[in-house]
Amino acid sequence: DAGVTQSPTHLIKTRGQQVTLRCSPKSGHDTVSWYQQALGQGPQFIFQYYEEEERQRGNFPDRFSGHQFPNYSSELNVNALLLGDSALYLCASSLRRTVNYGYTFGSGTRLTVV
Amino acid sequence: GENVEQHPSTLSVQEGDSAVIKCTYSDSASNYFPWYKQELGKRPQLIIDIRSNVGEKKDQRIAVTLNKTAKHFSLHITETQPEDSAVYFCAASNTNAGKSTFGDGTTLTVKP
Repeated sequence: DAGVTQSPTHLIKTRGQQVTLRCSPKSGHDTVSWYQQALGQGPQFIFQYYEEEERQRGNFPDRFSGHQFPNYSSELNVNALLLGDSALYLCASSLRRTVNYGYTFGSGTRLTVV
Repeated sequence: GENVEQHPSTLSVQEGDSAVIKCTYSDSASNYFPWYKQELGKRPQLIIDIRSNVGEKKDQRIAVTLNKTAKHFSLHITETQPEDSAVYFCAASNTNAGKSTFGDGTTLTVKP
């Protein structure tokens, strides 16, 4: 049973560029949440997708956008990259209607903006 | 929105001792409280969780307690082992809303 897979694992981009990160949720999960984790800090919620719609959004600018596909996989897009966007981006999947609501995390994409 | 505070930020114990990490939350609507362990360079992994209708939950050497009135919950690790060394994150969520808010983490070091 495959867990959550994220790609790419590492990425180096230049300020002002755009980036797309990808996530395939754990088999059987239908909800994808994206988090940004800066070094030494806890994960910060970016947004959550369920049934191909953005259901909740954290305190991130519109430069951060996403998408969920019919197969539940998801993309995170960041436009006009800033140095401060350098972080580990974690994808977490879960099953919406379940008693067990814990996340399964992917290994993350380490984004470095130079 | 929800705010989760976690203490201490670092914790060092001798092997075999107990470790306690405490979190407080602000939103009384939160009803699900998971704990995650993140080893260096690895993904966070769910180690235990508790729901608001339960005051305590145990799983071998790990236990979590919840005080809804005071809005705080704690992770207790007994008989610590070097492999327990990691960063531990608490989180709070409202299962109707779905999003989890995380604390800033506790770096636990277990000295052999």
